[in-house]
Amino acid sequence: DVKVTQSSRYLVKRTGEKVFLECVQDMDHENMFWYRQDPGLGLRLIYFSYDVKMKEKGDIPEGYSVSREKKERFSLILESASTNQTSMYLCASRSPVLGLAPLYNEQFFGPGTRLTVL
Amino acid sequence: AQSVTQLDSHVSVSEGTPVLLRCNYSSSYSPSLFWYVQHPNKGLQLLLKYTSAATLVKGINGFEAEFKKSETSFHLTKPSAHMSDAAEYFCVVIAGGGGNKLTFGTGTQLKVEL
Repeated sequence: DVKVTQSSRYLVKRTGEKVFLECVQDMDHENMFWYRQDPGLGLRLIYFSYDVKMKEKGDIPEGYSVSREKKERFSLILESASTNQTSMYLCASRSPVLGLAPLYNEQFFGPGTRLTVL
Repeated sequence: AQSVTQLDSHVSVSEGTPVLLRCNYSSSYSPSLFWYVQHPNKGLQLLLKYTSAATLVKGINGFEAEFKKSETSFHLTKPSAHMSDAAEYFCVVIAGGGGNKLTFGTGTQLKVEL
């Protein structure tokens, strides 16, 4: 069965702390994604990774960085947490899109990490 | 550029009555469109997807959606709502040309009442 796991369901941190959110997938997928979900805004893409050691900025990368040292693991890093980064963070993985046609392979999502920054 | 608009932030129906969740899209390329569902405290699950094959797409749990290019719409329907359908639903568009970027709508919260 397909599985994307995230290290914590709930996390509380203080302003200025460095925060690591971990995501692991067991499907041997090349592509992995980090989103944040806020009420009334839907999901917004923070970063994605095509493959190991490859990354690309999404729509809202400011204040975040990522690390992909192994294929199955994609980490989101908040270098210095701020209160406006309080949110639900969702990780997803996918087999890569093939060719230029709008083919799409389903993104599989983890359960999310609800981060509160005090 | 691509975007998606979910026309209702909240929809409330009675159990056994039809469900209609509305979604309009905008895309420079021939789009692929999806509906995801998110139950409380759970991850997102794919309900169905349209990728330029049949315009009427059937998904899981009795949901279906029709792609209407002339109306730029991709509304989600179900003939008879069940209590277990209560969740948040997201319409998603992905443009061609590589297709890494998903654009999510802001979500529609579906409430099902007895």
